[in-house]
Amino acid sequence: NAGVTQTPKFQVLKTGQSMTLQCAQDMNHNSMYWYRQDPGMGLRLIYYSASEGTTDKGEVPNGYNVSRLNKREFSLRLESAAPSQTSVYFCASSENVGALQKEQYFGPGTRLTVT
Amino acid sequence: AQSVTQLDSQVPVFEEAPVELRCNYSSSVSVYLFWYVQYPNQGLQLLLKYLSGSTLVKGINGFEAEFNKSQTSFHLRKPSVHISDTAEYFCAVSDANFNKFYFGSGTKLNVKP
Repeated sequence: NAGVTQTPKFQVLKTGQSMTLQCAQDMNHNSMYWYRQDPGMGLRLIYYSASEGTTDKGEVPNGYNVSRLNKREFSLRLESAAPSQTSVYFCASSENVGALQKEQYFGPGTRLTVT
Repeated sequence: AQSVTQLDSQVPVFEEAPVELRCNYSSSVSVYLFWYVQYPNQGLQLLLKYLSGSTLVKGINGFEAEFNKSQTSFHLRKPSVHISDTAEYFCAVSDANFNKFYFGSGTKLNVKP
């Protein structure tokens, strides 16, 4: 039982390059999330998926796209990377109890630097 | 929308002293409440959670938190901290109204020898 896995762990991009961050969970959770964490800013929600086939914007969606490929996998794509997207990215998943989300389980993070 | 306020961005404390990290939230409807810990260069780890039942919740590493519905608070406490407790702590709320998770901005606990 691996929990939430993310790849890659580290990435350096040049401005304008694209990349996809991969996330997978093996806990059969309905909901999955992408966050970014910047110094002094806490966690900010980029996109989330309440169930397979649905995605919704979070607090800071601009410059990102997501795909909920199946129940296990939720990817985050940067089409044209910008230095402002330098951050640590966390994927998380959780189980629903009606409209309430139980605890979120986090991946180890991806450290992205855009030069 | 829900908001989660962690009143202290940094808390310095000496080893073996007690500590309280404060968290307030804005919702008055059904919520689940959580505290997470993040050690340097690591992901977030669940410290404890309140889903229902007793308002005093015990977590890992000797931490506990008390859910106070009337004051919409969920403060985290530890009677005696260790150097190894140095980390950033995040309060989070799951809100039935919005089907979302909300995180506070974090409190950095710095335990000094």
